[in-house]
Amino acid sequence: AQTVTQSQPEMSVQEAETVTLSCTYDTSENNYYLFWYKQPPSRQMILVIRQEAYKQQNATENRFSVNFQKAAKSFSLKISDSQLGDTAMYFCAFMAPNTGNQFYFGTGTSLTVIP
Amino acid sequence: DSGVTQTPKHLITATGQRVTLRCSPRSGDLSVYWYQQSLDQGLQFLIQYYNGEERAKGNILERFSAQQFPDLHSELNLSSLELGDSALYFCASSVGQGWPGELFFGEGSRLTVL
Repeated sequence: AQTVTQSQPEMSVQEAETVTLSCTYDTSENNYYLFWYKQPPSRQMILVIRQEAYKQQNATENRFSVNFQKAAKSFSLKISDSQLGDTAMYFCAFMAPNTGNQFYFGTGTSLTVIP
Repeated sequence: DSGVTQTPKHLITATGQRVTLRCSPRSGDLSVYWYQQSLDQGLQFLIQYYNGEERAKGNILERFSAQQFPDLHSELNLSSLELGDSALYFCASSVGQGWPGELFFGEGSRLTVL
C-alpha cells in the first residue's frame, strides 16, 4: 500500500523568506510521480509542481522547487521569497501507474505567510 | 481554468434528501475521481472511474453512488443525506494512464445539509 505523510500540520513564514514543507511517502513501486498541490482560501486545488521518479534532477517552477530524495522517499517543497498569496493548504500527492493511477494525498500543511 | 466542470457550485438541502453532483472531465481525460473534503480536513478519496468502468473505491458510504457515462461525464449521487455529509465535493480528471498523470481539479460542489 502507498502512504503519504506530511508531518507539519501548520507552518508560518515571514514574507520574502524561504520555507520548506516536508513530505515522505512509502511505496514499493519504482515508477511513480509526485506532486504538490496548493489549496488557497478559495478552496480551489492548484498544481504547484510535479516530479517524475525516474528523473534525478529536482523540479523547479519559479519560486517553487523540490528536494526529491528517492532512496529516503522524501519529497519536500521549498518556497523562496514567500508572498502573501502563498498562504494556503499544501498537499503532497503520489501516483503510480501500476496502482491504476490512484492518487494518494497527505493530510496537508497549512502555510501562513506573515506580512 | 482546469478544464474540469462541476455543477452545481453550491447546494443547500435538508437531511434525508438526495442530490446529484455532476462532473465533466477535461477534454481527452478518461479517468474521473471524486473526493470529499469536510471543513478543515484533507481530501478523502471516494471513487475512481476509467473510461466508464469503476477502477477503485475509497471511503465511499453505501448511501453514495457514482457512475461515469459513455460521454465520460460523471455523476455522484448522495442519498439519505445527513448533517455530516456537508462538505466540498471535488471531481478531478486525468488522462488515466501514462503521462501526464497529474490530476486536474474542478472548483468543487459545496454541499450544505441542514
